[in-house]
Amino acid sequence: DPKIIQKPKYLVAVTGSEKILICEQYLGHNAMYWYRQSAKKPLEFMFSYSYQKLMDNQTASSRFQPQSSKKNHLDLQITALKPDDSATYFCASSRLGNQDTQYFGPGTRLLVL
Amino acid sequence: GDQVKQSPSALSLQEGTNSALRCNFSIATTTVQWFLQNPRGSLMNLFYLVPGTKENGRLKSTFNSKESYSTLHIRDAQLEDSGTYFCAAHTGANTGKLTFGHGTILRVHP
Repeated sequence: DPKIIQKPKYLVAVTGSEKILICEQYLGHNAMYWYRQSAKKPLEFMFSYSYQKLMDNQTASSRFQPQSSKKNHLDLQITALKPDDSATYFCASSRLGNQDTQYFGPGTRLLVL
Repeated sequence: GDQVKQSPSALSLQEGTNSALRCNFSIATTTVQWFLQNPRGSLMNLFYLVPGTKENGRLKSTFNSKESYSTLHIRDAQLEDSGTYFCAAHTGANTGKLTFGHGTILRVHP
C-alpha cells in the first residue's frame, strides 16, 4: 500500500486558474514538505512543516500556499497559475522535522497551458 | 553556483560492470541522502548518511564531511539500476530542507 499519497497524478490547468495539490502520508510522520522538479532543474525545496507549523518557506511567490488541515495532510494551493509553474510537485515526509530521512510521494505532474 | 555538484551528469555502463557517482558540496553539510528516480518518476530512497559508509547489496555509499563529498558505488550493474541518481544535502539549519544535485542519468545496457 502506498504510504504517501498524492492526488491527482496528472493535472492540466489553464493560465490564471487555481488548483490544489493533495498530499497525505500514512507513515506516522510529524514533518511534511513540498518540492518542485522542473525540466532541466534539480528538485527545489519549497516548504517544510513540522507538527502543522511552517518551518521554512523558500518560495518567492505568495501564489503558493500550503494548507495543513491534519498532521498527516499537507496540501498545496497554487493561484493565478502561469505556464512556468508547469513541473512535477513532490510531497515528502519525515519522522522529525530537522535532518531526518525524508520519504517522497509519487508526485503530481502539473501542466499549465 | 551549484551548492551540490554531481558528477558525471550522465553515464552508460555495460551490465556487470562497476562505477562510482560523486557529489561535492559547497555548503556545510551534516547528512546526505541518495535517491534513484525511476523512469516512472518515483524517487526511491537508497541511503541516508551521517559521516561514514553504508552498504546495501550491490550499492555502497560514503559521506566524508571533512572533505565535503559523498560517493555512491554501484557494483555489478544490472539493467534495473538504470534511472537518475540524486544526492541531497541537509545543512545545519533544522528546517528539514534538502538541497539536491542535478542528478546523474545512468543507463545500463546489455
